[in-house]
Amino acid sequence: AQKITQTQPGMFVQEKEAVTLDCTYDTSDQSYGLFWYKQPSSGEMIFLIYQGSYDEQNATEGRYSLNFQKARKSANLVISASQLGDSAMYFCAMSPKAAGNKLTFGGGTRVLVKP
Amino acid sequence: SAVISQKPSRDICQRGTSLTIQCQVDSQVTMMFWYRQQPGQSLTLIATANQGSEATYESGFVIDKFPISRPNLTFSTLTVSNMSPEDSSIYLCSAGGRLIGEQYFGPGTRLTVT
Repeated sequence: AQKITQTQPGMFVQEKEAVTLDCTYDTSDQSYGLFWYKQPSSGEMIFLIYQGSYDEQNATEGRYSLNFQKARKSANLVISASQLGDSAMYFCAMSPKAAGNKLTFGGGTRVLVKP
Repeated sequence: SAVISQKPSRDICQRGTSLTIQCQVDSQVTMMFWYRQQPGQSLTLIATANQGSEATYESGFVIDKFPISRPNLTFSTLTVSNMSPEDSSIYLCSAGGRLIGEQYFGPGTRLTVT
């Protein structure tokens, strides 16, 4: 079974600054995928970034980057140059490849960007 | 990316009734997933819907309460049966995109049971 832990229930960040959201995971699978999603107050789940367990380079997508440390089983999300629109819940999730993107989610981190 | 739509977007239902939620994907996908998000909580997988076979339910979820249909590769329904206030949640469907690592969600159905 997989387990995802997000230890930061909430955090403030100043507009234009960078913020790191922590995510650690536990799995016995050798091949797996790690995902980050953003959920604004509207409730939709917005896919941000993906990291495969065998990917040698850290994933990046625009202002989002994933700091993947496989040995430590961590997959932290870095948001650079925060914007007011980044205020939302952020969820880390993982899927064993064999499960075909059946996701297990962490508890989430609420981010509030201050002007 | 896959575009996923859900109907209804929200509903208020009476205790003891049932609601069927529809999920439509703009491309053919092998597996679709249904999740529940209770108020203030994270997402929990209800079941995996495969075309042509019965859905696979996660621990704590049963077919009598959450029957699922998957008549083709672009469509699925989830029924919440004999509802109680504890069923008040956001229900989301999900499907993969064409590339490895792509997993998208519908906009969700916000259900309130009174």
